[in-house]
Amino acid sequence: SQQGEEDPQALSIQEGENATMNCSYKTSINNLQWYRQNSGRGLVHLILIRSNEREKHSGRLRVTLDTSKKSSSLLITASRAADTASYFCATALNQAGTALIFGKGTTLSVSS
Amino acid sequence: NAGVMQNPRHLVRRRGQEARLRCSPMKGHSHVYWYRQLPEEGLKFMVYLQKENIIDESGMPKERFSAEFPKEGPSILRIQQVVRGDSAAYFCASSPPKGRTLQETQYFGPGTRLLVL
Repeated sequence: SQQGEEDPQALSIQEGENATMNCSYKTSINNLQWYRQNSGRGLVHLILIRSNEREKHSGRLRVTLDTSKKSSSLLITASRAADTASYFCATALNQAGTALIFGKGTTLSVSS
Repeated sequence: NAGVMQNPRHLVRRRGQEARLRCSPMKGHSHVYWYRQLPEEGLKFMVYLQKENIIDESGMPKERFSAEFPKEGPSILRIQQVVRGDSAAYFCASSPPKGRTLQETQYFGPGTRLLVL
């Protein structure tokens, strides 16, 4: 079964607006990662948040983690057309943390 | 420092043929992972290898699929007797050697898009 599930499936916003994507997972984790995938391309690592962290920032990205609710959110502030992509959360499939399991992703469209 | 490289980027095969997908990890990385992505889906883990060893193949189909990461050269994902359902994007990722901490960030290649006619 899916470990990470992103919500919403698709999101359309205007440039300058903020975009929030959510991810829920089922089992305990050591960390949670967010990746971006542009259409037809590979995945780009955005940010990793550890299980003992509640919030992390990287540029226009803000990630939160609530281990009690088994959920995470990715906030992109002041969005740009170049942010148009699919966003995936990933957690480790196993204790060793080697195999990542991804949800189906949130497809973000930012129009100018 | 080149990233993870995969070739070919696109591969077309007829049913019954063999598909060979290659992956060169980032310099200094000794761990390789293969994932498959079906259209409109997330990535699904297939196999995790270190040099000359398969560490975890729990996501690999039992038949027709094999993977290797030889001492020299790229990692190879091999699909024998391809069927239409094998059509997908196959991504390779790599990570540096383990230290005391668990493996964390994986760096992904651009993928190979396999189309089986």
